[in-house]
Amino acid sequence: DTEVTQTPKHLVMGMTNKKSLKCEQHMGHRAMYWYKQKAKKPPELMFVYSYEKLSINESVPSRFSPECPNSSLLNLHLHALQPEDSALYLCASSQDPGLVGNEQFFGPGTRLTVL
Amino acid sequence: SQKIEQNSEALNIQEGKTATLTCNYTNYSPAYLQWYRQDPGRGPVFLLLIRENEKEKRKERLKVTFDTTLKQSLFHITASQPADSATYLCSFAGNNRKLIWGLGTSLAVNP
Repeated sequence: DTEVTQTPKHLVMGMTNKKSLKCEQHMGHRAMYWYKQKAKKPPELMFVYSYEKLSINESVPSRFSPECPNSSLLNLHLHALQPEDSALYLCASSQDPGLVGNEQFFGPGTRLTVL
Repeated sequence: SQKIEQNSEALNIQEGKTATLTCNYTNYSPAYLQWYRQDPGRGPVFLLLIRENEKEKRKERLKVTFDTTLKQSLFHITASQPADSATYLCSFAGNNRKLIWGLGTSLAVNP
């Protein structure tokens, strides 16, 4: 299985809602990533998990809370978001965070709209 | 700061021609460069990786070059097809191993 899956595909939420994005991979990859992407911009790194531990937090506001329950799963918990948080949220994985040059495998993304 | 520049304007070419996309980088000497393809509303898909000691790499109709003197990578699609229309992103891992991305070049192949 060489696929990263993400659910849901689309999510509309109000600013007072709490929701979660889910990501799963079964490639045995030990690094997992959350990116945010706005239209006509490249992916913007949010968080990196390396061997199930949070290794990078790109100064992301606390209304975004990542979680890595096990080596195959990655969640992003959302609470009290703002309309400017509307974007495509991408999950990615790579084989080994210590490897130079290891390519990242991206999921299809969750299109989030905050009203 | 480490930076990647890609052709900011969309590239329009005729089917069957070769598309050439440019990626220039500054303030760093990456050990490798990666190229990804992204379709609208979808995640990027890895295409090719080229290391600093490799001048050229090929995969089917794709060819990537890496010129460390010019600090440039060129990405070629030969015998282009309308299905090749997408945005192509160049990236490399900076000195903290995080991927640095270019803005991408939008390619449109006209039938």
